Amino acid sequence: DAGVIQSPRHEVTEMGQEVTLRCKPISGHNSLFWYRQTMMRGLELLIYFNNNVPIDDSGMPEDRFSAKMPNASFSTLKIQPSEPRDSAVYFCASSPRTSGVTKQYFGPGTRLTVT
Amino acid sequence: QKEVEQDPGPLSVPEGAIVSLNCTYSNSAFQYFMWYRQYSRKGPELLMYTYSSGNKEDGRFTAQVDKSSKYISLFIRDSQPSDSATYLCAMSEPDSNYQLIWGAGTKLIIKP
Repeated sequence: DAGVIQSPRHEVTEMGQEVTLRCKPISGHNSLFWYRQTMMRGLELLIYFNNNVPIDDSGMPEDRFSAKMPNASFSTLKIQPSEPRDSAVYFCASSPRTSGVTKQYFGPGTRLTVT
Repeated sequence: QKEVEQDPGPLSVPEGAIVSLNCTYSNSAFQYFMWYRQYSRKGPELLMYTYSSGNKEDGRFTAQVDKSSKYISLFIRDSQPSDSATYLCAMSEPDSNYQLIWGAGTKLIIKP
């Protein structure tokens, strides 16, 4: 089992540039999550997809952030334009269809630095 | 006040000690309680979960929920240096079980 795959692992960009983060969930999982983790704010849910459909995007900080899931095996999180305060580790997680507790499987994360 | 409170630590203990990690919460509707472990530069991984109250044991790890006190604990027996990581608690309501409310995480250091 390959686990959740994220790319790139590290991204350094200048303020104002567009950043695209990519995620391949575990095969067969029907839910996908994008999180952001910082020392100050901890782990924050940005957006949740179920069966490729965005269900809850209330955590997306502002219009500069957008996420898509064109199919069950791929999702992107885009920041345009990027700002220094977007510097964080961005995690993608996926979850299988289950009743009860949602077991989320996290990828290794993308460490984003905006200068 | 945050919905879930967790002391960020760091908590440093000698190898072999019993470790107690804790979270308090304010939302009485929480029914699912989870502990995730996060090694440095890695994503969180689910360690244990419990539903409602009670204890759950898995090897050296025991998760405990006290709903009357709104308090959850993770105990690690015979702690090992490989247990050094950040431990995050997470909780959810039954009707929105995808929406996990996370603690800040406690950094645990096991000294050889």
